[in-house]
Amino acid sequence: RKEVEQDPGPFNVPEGATVAFNCTYSNSASQSFFWYRQDCRKEPKLLMSVYSSGNEDGRFTAQLNRASQYISLLIRDSKLSDSATYLCVVNLSGGYNKLIFGAGTRLAVHP
Amino acid sequence: ETGVTQSPTHLIKTRGQQVTLRCSSQSGHNTVSWYQQALGQGPQFIFQYYREEENGRGNFPPRFSGLQFPNYSSELNVNALELDDSALYLCASRGTSGDGTQYFGPGTRLTVL
Repeated sequence: RKEVEQDPGPFNVPEGATVAFNCTYSNSASQSFFWYRQDCRKEPKLLMSVYSSGNEDGRFTAQLNRASQYISLLIRDSKLSDSATYLCVVNLSGGYNKLIFGAGTRLAVHP
Repeated sequence: ETGVTQSPTHLIKTRGQQVTLRCSSQSGHNTVSWYQQALGQGPQFIFQYYREEENGRGNFPPRFSGLQFPNYSSELNVNALELDDSALYLCASRGTSGDGTQYFGPGTRLTVL
């Protein structure tokens, strides 16, 4: 079983749609959680950290359920510029910071 | 921009050769990690350096080695290159927030023929 699992997609949605990505992780010792965005042939860029209480940044909302070891990302009012791969990431702390990445979910927003 | 730089941007090598990749971390960030990202996969943790010492390693063989210098810049060395080493190699420096946020450089794309 992979440590972080995501639906690979692709998700093809029209502009203005709402889209949700899900992610599960296997290590209950995971300490912190993130969503990164990666454009084609570019480096991953931090989209947002994910907190147990849930958090929102504009059109993006992230949720964490520690009991179910489940993380989600909701994108409202999709824009063409949201087209990218979204990487679910967990951090195993304890001496050093090792980020464990899912394989990513590809999103394509079309006009 | 993250302030993390990497060189070179692209590199082509042949099997059996050795390669050195370089990274300059964001000012004040004393922790540097290296990741390998194969096509269609998420980045995989290679190792981390803190104050010039390796303090964490992923499932990579010893032919993957590194260094960190007093100015916190870093190198990744790969010996006896194999075809499967073809990937994007990412360097990340750790931010100052307590949650371990890491900021990535643009990467070096290595092709092994």
